[in-house]
Parts: sequence; structure tokens; C-alpha cells
Amino acid sequence: DSGVTQTPKHLITATGQRVTLRCSPRSGDLSVYWYQQSLDQGLQFLIQYYNGEERAKGNILERFSAQQFPDLHSELNLSSLELGDSALYFCASSVGTSGTQETQYFGPGTRLLVL
Amino acid sequence: AQSVSQHNHHVILSEAASLELGCNYSYGGTVNLFWYVQYPGQHLQLLLKYFSGDPLVKGIKGFEAEFIKSKFSFNLRKPSVQWSDTAEYFCAVNARNYGQNFVFGPGTRLSVLP
Repeated sequence: DSGVTQTPKHLITATGQRVTLRCSPRSGDLSVYWYQQSLDQGLQFLIQYYNGEERAKGNILERFSAQQFPDLHSELNLSSLELGDSALYFCASSVGTSGTQETQYFGPGTRLLVL
Repeated sequence: AQSVSQHNHHVILSEAASLELGCNYSYGGTVNLFWYVQYPGQHLQLLLKYFSGDPLVKGIKGFEAEFIKSKFSFNLRKPSVQWSDTAEYFCAVNARNYGQNFVFGPGTRLSVLP
């Protein structure tokens, strides 16, 4: 158990809908990262927040957004869902920002299925 | 930009065979290096990491990796694999002082036959 929690574990929804994925980082970690893992794209970095502020953006679609709240939990919002958004969404956390001796610890993931 | 390549997409071994999974990265500066493992249906778990010092790093479950700076490589090794090592293995790189995030390799699927 990494100490990173994600809810829900599974999510089934329809195209065009909007969903929210939630992540709670390890105690003491200020950075939260979101990743998408799919069969064809592998593990793709989406976005990072550090202490409530967006720190880095990766391959995140405009239909997706995220935020980190004062209690440091983070939410990833996916809207206008398409079939191709079906994937495993992982959250990871670390103490601070990348560029120092950081280690990311991953949560169990949320499996999203868009029908 | 950084990139990480992993030599093999799928490796099949018999139990007790030795394992070496290749990882190369492209970045000329100082890096932190990681190997993560993802067992079937589970999340990524840290196997080992290199920040500085001895380039031969020992991790959990008998795994080790060697950082060869001149070759931009960080290969993962295990002398004798077990069926329970069946998993997907990801190499990751984080460039220090670059302000960029972790870059993961495409992964290598290891299948160990009993």
C-alpha cells in the first residue's frame, strides 16, 4: 500500500458525460500527478499540482481539467467523454516538485469505461 | 525533451533464468532514475531508484540496476526470476534542475513460465 488513495475504483459511463476522479496523496506529500494508462498509448503524464498550484502539463486534453484543494487532495475532471477516453487513470504523489530527489508513489488507479 | 526507451516489448523466460531489461534515456544532464513494476491488475510500485553515488542499486525482491552514465542506460537485472515476477516493468527518468516531470518508458512485459 503506497498511501495514495483513489476513488472510485471503477467507473462506467456513456459518451458525452462528465466524471470526476479523486485522489488523496500520501501524508506529507505536496505534489500530485495524474497519468492515463491505455493499451495503445502506454503511461502518459497528464498534469501535476504542487501545493494547490498547477506546476506542469503533459498530454492533457482541453476536455480534461484538474485541481488540488487546500487539504491537498486532487480531482481530475473529464468531460464530453469519448470512447477513446476509456483507460486506467493513476494518481501519484511526491514530497515536492520534480527536479530534486523526488520519488513518485502511485495510487491503485481508477478504471474508466466509456460506452 | 527527455525520452526513455526500453529495449524489449515482451520478454518470456523460464523460472530460474536470469533477467536483464534494458532502459536508455536521452538527456545530457543529471538525472534521477527509477524502475517501477506493475503486477497484473495492480498499480505501479517502486522497485528501485538511483539518485547519486554507487551506480549499482539494489531494490526489492532481489532486483538490481546499474547506471552507466556514458551509455545513458539504467538496465534492470535479476539473477533468477520466479513465476511471481510476471509483470510489466517501467523505467522512468526525471531530469534534475530541468523543471520537467517524470518520463516513463513504454514498458516491458515479462512473462515467467513455471
